[in-house]
Amino acid sequence: AQSVTQLDSQVPVFEEAPVELRCNYSSSVSVYLFWYVQYPNQGLQLLLKYLSGSTLVKGINGFEAEFNKSQTSFHLRKPSVHISDTAEYFCAVSVPRGGRRALTFGSGTRLQVQP
Amino acid sequence: GAGVSQSPSNKVTEKGKDVELRCDPISGHTALYWYRQRLGQGLEFLIYFQGNSAPDKSGLPSDRFSAERTGESVSTLTIQRTQQEDSAVYLCASSYMASEAFFGQGTRLTVV
Repeated sequence: AQSVTQLDSQVPVFEEAPVELRCNYSSSVSVYLFWYVQYPNQGLQLLLKYLSGSTLVKGINGFEAEFNKSQTSFHLRKPSVHISDTAEYFCAVSVPRGGRRALTFGSGTRLQVQP
Repeated sequence: GAGVSQSPSNKVTEKGKDVELRCDPISGHTALYWYRQRLGQGLEFLIYFQGNSAPDKSGLPSDRFSAERTGESVSTLTIQRTQQEDSAVYLCASSYMASEAFFGQGTRLTVV
């Protein structure tokens, strides 16, 4: 079965600084990868996804992520954060071919952007 | 519908009562998930439906929890004899096969 590890539970950062949120996964088969964002008191929204093709994926709000198969990672990056990026970020993995549990989430990383 | 719809949005119930939470997935989505999110915590997997396959119930925390789904449509999550520890936001999501999941706004359950 697949699993997802988000190494940092909280990441404090100053406004306009770059940020990287780390995500590593474990799977014996090919996977799809996702990043979701949850703003305070709101539902989950898809930021970006990797299904195939280019390993550098661009998403909404200036975020991007790079799929690294050899390191089984899918780290999320933004070159300059805003206060409005303060939220919980979840990495997720799914198995394209009939996995018993198709979507597995990491434990989340709370990004706290300070002025 | 345009998105995943969950009802009710809020539910306050007395300890020991049964509750039923409803999820209307996006039309055509074969997969449906239920997750639980306690205050300030991550997503706890509960159950997964995929088409006509047997559901993956491995995340249900106790036999007080059950869920059903009719075909590829509505799903209900039932919690019997609710306990205070059941208080949480219950999130439903749907997807087409293993592509990205779309989430509803959740049902906030408070057991008093």
